[in-house]
Amino acid sequence: GAGVSQTPSNKVTEKGKYVELRCDPISGHTALYWYRQSLGQGPEFLIYFQGTGAADDSGLPNDRFFAVRPEGSVSTLKIQRTERGDSAVYLCASSATGQNTGELFFGEGSRLTVL
Amino acid sequence: LAKTTQPISMDSYEGQEVNITCSHNNIATNDYITWYQQFPSQGPRFIIQGYKTKVTNEVASLFIPADRKSSTLSLPRVSLSDTAVYYCLVLWGTGGFKTIFGAGTRLFVKA
Repeated sequence: GAGVSQTPSNKVTEKGKYVELRCDPISGHTALYWYRQSLGQGPEFLIYFQGTGAADDSGLPNDRFFAVRPEGSVSTLKIQRTERGDSAVYLCASSATGQNTGELFFGEGSRLTVL
Repeated sequence: LAKTTQPISMDSYEGQEVNITCSHNNIATNDYITWYQQFPSQGPRFIIQGYKTKVTNEVASLFIPADRKSSTLSLPRVSLSDTAVYYCLVLWGTGGFKTIFGAGTRLFVKA
C-alpha cells in the first residue's frame, strides 16, 4: 500500500504569509505526528494526534502554529504570519496503535522556505 | 523522558562492522530502545527496537546490557549506502505518544 504522503514537497513563501502543509497518513493508522527538522538537526516534535484529537501539542513553538485532523485521517499543519526562522523541513509520520513496535512511518517531508 | 547520548559522527569503511553506542542512564522500567536511520532528503526509517539482551533482524542487531543504561546498534559489513544519520530513542512502552529524536550519529562509510 501507499506510504505517508506529504504535499507540497517544496514551498517558498514570503515573510508574513500563511502556509498550509498537508499529510496523508497510511490508511488505517490512527496516530499521526508532525515534526520539524532544521539542517543538521534531528527531527523536533511538534504535535501528536490520536484519531481526531491532538493528544500532545506541547511541541508547537507558538500560537502561529496550528494543526488539525478533522476526520482522523488527513492532517493539515497551518502556519500563520510566517517568519524566516520557520524555514525547515516539516515531517509527518503515522503509526498504528496497538502494534508491538514503536515504528513510525515517515513521509519525505515538506521543505518550507520563508524569504 | 529518558535523555540519550550518542557520538556525533563516525567513519567506517565498506565491509566493516559498525557499532554505535547510545547512553540512556535514566531509562525507566517501561521504556523501550528504538533506532532509526535517516538518509538525506528523506524521513527517518525504523531499524530495530528492543527491551533487553539482544535483538536481531535482517538489517541490524541491537545489544542491550542487563542494566539497560546503554545500547549498541551493530551494522554488519556496511556499504556506502549505509551512510546516514542514526538516531537512538528511548520510548515509553513500545512507542506512540511523544517520540523525541536527538541529534543522532552521522555515519560516513568510505570506499
